[in-house]
Amino acid sequence: AQSVTQLDSHVSVSEGTPVLLRCNYSSSYSPSLFWYVQHPNKGLQLLLKYTSAATLVKGINGFEAEFKKSETSFHLTKPSAHMSDAAEYFCVVRTGNQFYFGTGTSLTVIP
Amino acid sequence: EAGVTQFPSHSVIEKGQTVTLRCDPISGHDNLYWYRRVMGKEIKFLLHFVKESKQDESGMPNNRFLAERTGGTYSTLKVQPAELEDSGVYFCASSQRVGAPSGELFFGEGSRLTVL
Repeated sequence: AQSVTQLDSHVSVSEGTPVLLRCNYSSSYSPSLFWYVQHPNKGLQLLLKYTSAATLVKGINGFEAEFKKSETSFHLTKPSAHMSDAAEYFCVVRTGNQFYFGTGTSLTVIP
Repeated sequence: EAGVTQFPSHSVIEKGQTVTLRCDPISGHDNLYWYRRVMGKEIKFLLHFVKESKQDESGMPNNRFLAERTGGTYSTLKVQPAELEDSGVYFCASSQRVGAPSGELFFGEGSRLTVL
């Protein structure tokens, strides 16, 4: 069975400080993993994806994520938060043609 | 290249009325998915088309919901009759053709449905 757990429903950081959004997954197969961001009243936009190549994946807007098979984790990080990063973030697992979504993490950036 | 487009962006209807949502996927994408998000809660899967065929419709809430994908191109999702609990944002997404390496979902901006 496949599942995705986003460990924090809300994260709040100060502008200029690091961001860590946590994601754990379970999958019976070798998964593809994704992080999406959703700004208010917008669709989901792909930040980055892991598809069994390099375990450290770099995405747009300075975000990156590391695939750790032993920990079944795919945490999203950014060294320095910007006000425009305030949004909701979704961790997604793909196995075959099925996609499984985490419940989302709302990121607040404090000026 | 055009992205996934959805229409309407927002629909307000009364309970008992009918609404049809439309999704145009990226050209050449065989896989088309419908999802729903209610009141900021989790994103829930509704159904998945491969070309014109329903691959998986296990997420459809009940028989008031009907999805079609004419000729394997655009898709419609009809709600008839609408109930209050159907309110939410309906997202459409598409992904690469069958047989291609695993790829990501490309999302539309969603259709917000408000049932009064």
